[in-house]
Amino acid sequence: DGGITQSPKYLFRKEGQNVTLSCEQNLNHDAMYWYRQDPGQGLRLIYYSQIVNDFQKGDIAEGYSVSREKKESFPLTVTSAQKNPTAFYLCASSGGHTTNEKLFFGSGTQLSVL
Amino acid sequence: GNSVTQMEGPVTLSEEAFLTINCTYTATGYPSLFWYVQYPGEGLQLLLKATKADDKGSNKGFEATYRKETTSFHLEKGSVQVSDSAVYFCALSKGAGGTSYGKLTFGQGTILTVHP
Repeated sequence: DGGITQSPKYLFRKEGQNVTLSCEQNLNHDAMYWYRQDPGQGLRLIYYSQIVNDFQKGDIAEGYSVSREKKESFPLTVTSAQKNPTAFYLCASSGGHTTNEKLFFGSGTQLSVL
Repeated sequence: GNSVTQMEGPVTLSEEAFLTINCTYTATGYPSLFWYVQYPGEGLQLLLKATKADDKGSNKGFEATYRKETTSFHLEKGSVQVSDSAVYFCALSKGAGGTSYGKLTFGQGTILTVHP
């Protein structure tokens, strides 16, 4: 079945540590996105990539980094510079060709600070 | 900039009750509008969408009409079920030279709980 796989489902970060969240899709989509979800605040865009080897900052990119070396993969690193990393992180993808393109979401990773 | 405002929740209803979740937006031009649903422990799924004024999106008994004059996209369902319990997000996508697709602006989400 085609879809988006995020791992791990739960992740704990120690202070000063970088952690990487995995996102893989087999939908052959060009565009991929990372959103952060906080209770009562909806989703906010962290980074997005419209094509391999290219990515752009979203609204809240500080303290995060990404790479897009393969079409299928868009890992997100939460660095030690992100002072409030506890949140639910959602990866999404789309064909990326129109403004009304449907987004497909993964099931998310809950990141907590120890 | 673009923004989406949803009615505050949580919303609690009995089975077979009528549902309305209000959504209003601020954007220049003609955005595409969406409702996404998130079931517990899962990612979001597209519920319905509308791409131009007066369009009605519908799916699984849910409906929403794109009202440009009131900048609204309210979600309605005539008879809710326990299985509709979830978080509902209103969102918009505003293209700018074709580069903004997928960069959705989301509302804060409305928690719906339906009791038997």
